[in-house]
Amino acid sequence: SQKIEQNSEALNIQEGKTATLTCNYTNYSPAYLQWYRQDPGRGPVFLLLIRENEKEKRKERLKVTFDTTLKQSLFHITASQPADSATYLCALDENSGYALNFGKGTSLLVTP
Amino acid sequence: DAGVIQSPRHEVTEMGQEVTLRCKPISGHDYLFWYRQTMMRGLELLIYFNNNVPIDDSGMPEDRFSAKMPNASFSTLKIQPSEPRDSAVYFCASRTSSQETQYFGPGTRLLVL
Repeated sequence: SQKIEQNSEALNIQEGKTATLTCNYTNYSPAYLQWYRQDPGRGPVFLLLIRENEKEKRKERLKVTFDTTLKQSLFHITASQPADSATYLCALDENSGYALNFGKGTSLLVTP
Repeated sequence: DAGVIQSPRHEVTEMGQEVTLRCKPISGHDYLFWYRQTMMRGLELLIYFNNNVPIDDSGMPEDRFSAKMPNASFSTLKIQPSEPRDSAVYFCASRTSSQETQYFGPGTRLLVL
């Protein structure tokens, strides 16, 4: 069966450090992978998309890697700030390319 | 643009009652998605539409759930009759056919007693 696995345990890090979140998947052949941020009581907000032929993507303090051999994506936040505290979701496209399947998310807490 | 609009934001109802959730997608978006989020199961896709036509409803839990999109600017998700296990946050999202990003609404928090 298809699975998208993210660390279920919350990640606690100190301000200024780099946060690294993991997304592993099985029985998918995604054309792309997306990362979303979700704050309590709000809907997910898109952060980054990386395609299957891309190894790495950056946006400001965010970096995403995508290893289709390992079936894994890593999401990094450098110089983390308390405002980065949220739940981060990874999502893969279905075969159609239009629907998304989401992982359950990893909660990140950045403390001053 | 106002973004994706959902109503109501909160709904408390009793088991057996009919519940209707509403969504207005972003203007110009031709794909609309309904999701349900719970702690146990995470964010699950229920159904999605393209140009107002349902494309995949395989995620709809059972016949008690139905969704419609009568025009490009409005969609409903109806639960009849509702059950306590339907308690969750229901999200609507939309996107264009040329961009993979989905834009989510604020969600409707449903509690069925």
